[in-house]
Amino acid sequence: RKEVEQDPGPFNVPEGATVAFNCTYSNSASQSFFWYRQDCRKEPKLLMSVYSSGNEDGRFTAQLNRASQYISLLIRDSKLSDSATYLCVVNNDYKLSFGAGTTVTVRA
Amino acid sequence: EAGVAQSPRYKIIEKRQSVAFWCNPISGHATLYWYQQILGQGPKLLIQFQNNGVVDDSQLPKDRFSAERLKGVDSTLKIQPAKLEDSAVYLCASSSTGTVGEKLFFGSGTQLSVL
Repeated sequence: RKEVEQDPGPFNVPEGATVAFNCTYSNSASQSFFWYRQDCRKEPKLLMSVYSSGNEDGRFTAQLNRASQYISLLIRDSKLSDSATYLCVVNNDYKLSFGAGTTVTVRA
Repeated sequence: EAGVAQSPRYKIIEKRQSVAFWCNPISGHATLYWYQQILGQGPKLLIQFQNNGVVDDSQLPKDRFSAERLKGVDSTLKIQPAKLEDSAVYLCASSSTGTVGEKLFFGSGTQLSVL
């Protein structure tokens, strides 16, 4: 089983829609979690950390479910500029493991 | 603030040739990482430096890959000899102290094609 698994998508959504997707992780002892965003042919950039109580950053909401070992990302009121690949990142014993990413395409 | 600098941006070589990549992290960042990202996959850590010491190189194919960060600033990653499966984007990243949960800053990467 992979350390971090993501639905590759693509998720094709119209502008203004809400899109959500999950990431599952295999190590129940994983300590911390993040979402990175990677635009086509660009480098990854930190989008947000994921806290145990869940957290929001503008239109983005991240949740952690330790019992089921997954994290989620929800994007509200999608913009064209949200089109990207979203990488789930899990910290295991101070080593970051990246998922393969979920691709989101927002259409006009 | 200047970001993480990498060169070259693209490199095309034939299998069994050698290649080297260079990275200059953000000024003052103690921790430097080299990642390999194969098309359609997430970045995979090759090696992590804390200043000029190696913290983790468990996934570095040491029979062909080598990396150094001699003065604790810039770093080079070398592949010798290259194989077809080394075709990937090589990303350098840096962080301030390397502590858990710290934000990584990535360079634009070097896209390597091995023919």
